[in-house]
Amino acid sequence: GNSVTQMEGPVTLSEEAFLTINCTYTATGYPSLFWYVQYPGEGLQLLLKATKADDKGSNKGFEATYRKETTSFHLEKGSVQVSDSAVYFCAPAGAGSYQLTFGKGTKLSVIP
Amino acid sequence: NAGVTQTPKFRVLKTGQSMTLLCAQDMNHEYMYWYRQDPGMGLRLIHYSVGEGTTAKGEVPDGYNVSRLKKQNFLLGLESAAPSQTSVYFCASSRSGSGEAFFGQGTRLTVV
Repeated sequence: GNSVTQMEGPVTLSEEAFLTINCTYTATGYPSLFWYVQYPGEGLQLLLKATKADDKGSNKGFEATYRKETTSFHLEKGSVQVSDSAVYFCAPAGAGSYQLTFGKGTKLSVIP
Repeated sequence: NAGVTQTPKFRVLKTGQSMTLLCAQDMNHEYMYWYRQDPGMGLRLIHYSVGEGTTAKGEVPDGYNVSRLKKQNFLLGLESAAPSQTSVYFCASSRSGSGEAFFGQGTRLTVV
């Protein structure tokens, strides 16, 4: 099955700082890749996705590029806001895209 | 616009008691999932279903049973609760093959 390694948290940044959260995965074939976000007290919600090599997913100022050669899908944002404080999960999808394998999550806190 | 609804939101059980968690989705999704979220462990798949009347084991199925009698509902049962089942449980659903999952708000279960 798939596995994923995410950058350990927690991460604390000042507002407007640059964010990178590393994610590498092992998988059979070329899975679709996802980043999910969990705001305090809520369930997870999709942040962005990429379905094939070299695709770039983007949403709300966040970006991640599907790197097949390094099996990575690092999440980046140029200028974080306090409202970005949340837990971020990297997740490759399994065969048939019906099983997601989640990383342990990276907690981000953004301070004013 | 309900999406995925979980009931109850909170529950405290005594060791050995049984209970059923209900998940309902109104998006006509084929796939449904139950995850548990524990500190430092990320999300782990308990059971999943790829269609009405079908269920399958995930990563951590022991101590749980599930049923999918109707397409929109996915029930998670604990026959004899144990303190190790103290966790936050999330239900999710997805359209077949998309890998994009929609999550409920979670059920916080404490077993004492």
